[in-house]
Amino acid sequence: GENVEQHPSTLSVQEGDSAVIKCTYSDSASNYFPWYKQELGKGPQLIIDIRSNVGEKKDQRIAVTLNKTAKHFSLHITETQPEDSAVYFCAATNTNAGGTSYGKLTFGQGTILTVHP
Amino acid sequence: KAGVTQTPRYLIKTRGQQVTLSCSPISGHRSVSWYQQTPGQGLQFLFEYFSETQRNKGNFPGRFSGRQFSNSRSEMNVSTLELGDSALYLCASALTRGNTGELFFGEGSRLTVL
Repeated sequence: GENVEQHPSTLSVQEGDSAVIKCTYSDSASNYFPWYKQELGKGPQLIIDIRSNVGEKKDQRIAVTLNKTAKHFSLHITETQPEDSAVYFCAATNTNAGGTSYGKLTFGQGTILTVHP
Repeated sequence: KAGVTQTPRYLIKTRGQQVTLSCSPISGHRSVSWYQQTPGQGLQFLFEYFSETQRNKGNFPGRFSGRQFSNSRSEMNVSTLELGDSALYLCASALTRGNTGELFFGEGSRLTVL
């Protein structure tokens, strides 16, 4: 099955700096790579995703890059703010597997991001 | 539009007991998945239900089970609780028709086993 490795496990930055979180995956059939943000006491929330037919996607201060050959993808947050402090998870799945499977994601171990004011 | 609702939010059980957790998906979402979140193992997939049928199952013992009702609401049950079952149990719903891959998570049910 799929295996997703995520680094670093903790990341501390100053407000205004950039933050980068990296993930690698093992299953070359994976074609959908979402990133989730989990704040204390809440469930994970999707912040950005990328599909295997795209190399990069950007949404305001957040961007994700995908290298299919190397099987890795990264989350980039620019101009970090204290409210960006949370746990970030990458995930991977093959949306074409099984025909009627919509909810199985393999998650990385998470990165605790702390943005200091 | 209401989000994914999980009940109860917190519960404490003792070893050997059993527990049932409930999840109401977003209206119109027919797929419901369950995840276990622990500090050591992270987010692990338990199972997924769609049209009242289990579609996928993760690598968990048979003590973990679930079901889905005709209104897409889902329950999961853990029997013969062990200390290691202490975790945040997250439910996620997804569209089936017009699925984009996005999962919408509830806030979870935090289970403590003493």
